[in-house]
Amino acid sequence: GNSVTQMEGPVTLSEEAFLTINCTYTATGYPSLFWYVQYPGEGLQLLLKATKADDKGSNKGFEATYRKETTSFHLEKGSVQVSDSAVYFCALSGGNTGFQKLVFGTGTRLLVSP
Amino acid sequence: EAGVVQSPRYKIIEKKQPVAFWCNPISGHNTLYWYLQNLGQGPELLIRYENEEAVDDSQLPKDRFSAERLKGVDSTLKIQPAELGDSAVYLCASSLVGQANSPLHFGNGTRLTVT
Repeated sequence: GNSVTQMEGPVTLSEEAFLTINCTYTATGYPSLFWYVQYPGEGLQLLLKATKADDKGSNKGFEATYRKETTSFHLEKGSVQVSDSAVYFCALSGGNTGFQKLVFGTGTRLLVSP
Repeated sequence: EAGVVQSPRYKIIEKKQPVAFWCNPISGHNTLYWYLQNLGQGPELLIRYENEEAVDDSQLPKDRFSAERLKGVDSTLKIQPAELGDSAVYLCASSLVGQANSPLHFGNGTRLTVT
């Protein structure tokens, strides 16, 4: 079945460091890919998305490129801030899961220190 | 616009007791979801509604869990009786249309503790 694999956390960085959170997926067909973020005490929020191969999603300085050849959707940010501390979830939808049935990874906690 | 509203925010009950969670989706969103999030895990779909109809409930443990969405707006999720393993966060989400790339909007969740 469809699945998403994320790097384990926590990822601990100093402010202004470069961030990469790895995400790979297994799916049949052509899924859409998402990154959601969960700040402490809050619900999940959509951070960015990409719906087809080679698309780049971006928001708030974060970027991720849909790589079909490597089945990856790694999240990157050039300079993290303390306020970016949160849990980040990679997810996919579509393919053979059917429309709008999001399959999530286990999440990666990011801790940014001043 | 107002977001997805869930209540209660926290609930502590003893095992074998019943419990219910309530969700009010974003106005106009026809699709509603209930997800289960265990500690340290990603959310897993329990049930999805298109208007009043449950179109995907394959992951809902029907022996103890039930859900309803009257009039295609608010929804309740019930557990009866609760077990220790049901301790988790229950998330509600809604979206506007049933397409793969339409984003879900999540509520803050209900954290259930079964003692």
